[in-house]
Amino acid sequence: AQTVTQSQPEMSVQEAETVTLSCTYDTSENNYYLFWYKQPPSRQMILVIRQEAYKQQNATENRFSVNFQKAAKSFSLKISDSQLGDTAMYFCAFINMNYGGSQGNLIFGKGTKLSVKP
Amino acid sequence: NAGVTQTPKFQVLKTGQSMTLQCAQDMNHNSMYWYRQDPGMGLRLIYYSASEGTTDKGEVPNGYNVSRLNKREFSLRLESAAPSQTSVYFCASMARVKDEAFFGQGTRLTVV
Repeated sequence: AQTVTQSQPEMSVQEAETVTLSCTYDTSENNYYLFWYKQPPSRQMILVIRQEAYKQQNATENRFSVNFQKAAKSFSLKISDSQLGDTAMYFCAFINMNYGGSQGNLIFGKGTKLSVKP
Repeated sequence: NAGVTQTPKFQVLKTGQSMTLQCAQDMNHNSMYWYRQDPGMGLRLIYYSASEGTTDKGEVPNGYNVSRLNKREFSLRLESAAPSQTSVYFCASMARVKDEAFFGQGTRLTVV
C-alpha cells in the first residue's frame, strides 16, 4: 500500500519570502505521479503542480517548484516570493499509474497549513 | 461548465438515519472518488471508481456504500449514520490517472 507523509502540520512565512513544504511517500511502484494541491479557506481544492516519476527534471509553475528525489521518495514544494493569497492548506498526493489493483488510487497526505504574514 | 456538483451542501442526520450523497460531473471523466476530510487527518479515500461499472474500496470504506450509476454519477450512501461519520465529504473526478483531479464544493455532514 502507498502512503504519503507530510511532517509539518503548520508553517508560517513572511510575505515575499521563500518557504519549502516537505512530503515523503512510500511505494513499491515505479510508475506514478505526484501532486501538490492547495485548499484555501473556501474549501476548493486547486492543483498547484504535478510531477511524473519518470521525469528527472523538477516541475515548475511560476512561483512554485518541486524538489523531486525519487530514490529518497521525497517531493517537497518550494514557494518563492510568498503572497498573502498563498495562505491555505497544502496537500501532497500520489497516484499509481501501473495497471493493477491500486491503479488510480489517489491518496493524500494530512496536509500542511501555511500562513503568509504581511 | 458546472464541473463536479455535489448535493447537498449541508446535512444534519440523527444517529441511525440513512442518506445518499450525490455527485455528478459533466466532463466525461472516467475516474471518480469519494473522500472525507477531518481536522488533522487530511483527505482519506472512502471509495473510488476507475471506470463506469467498477468500484474499489479506499482507506476508510466501513459504513459506506457507493454506486457508479453511469459515467456521470457516483453516489455515496450511509446506511446507518454514526457520529463518527461527521465530516466534510468531497467528490472528485479525473479524466486519466495522470490528470488533474477536479473536486466538488464538499458536503458538510453532521450526525447527532
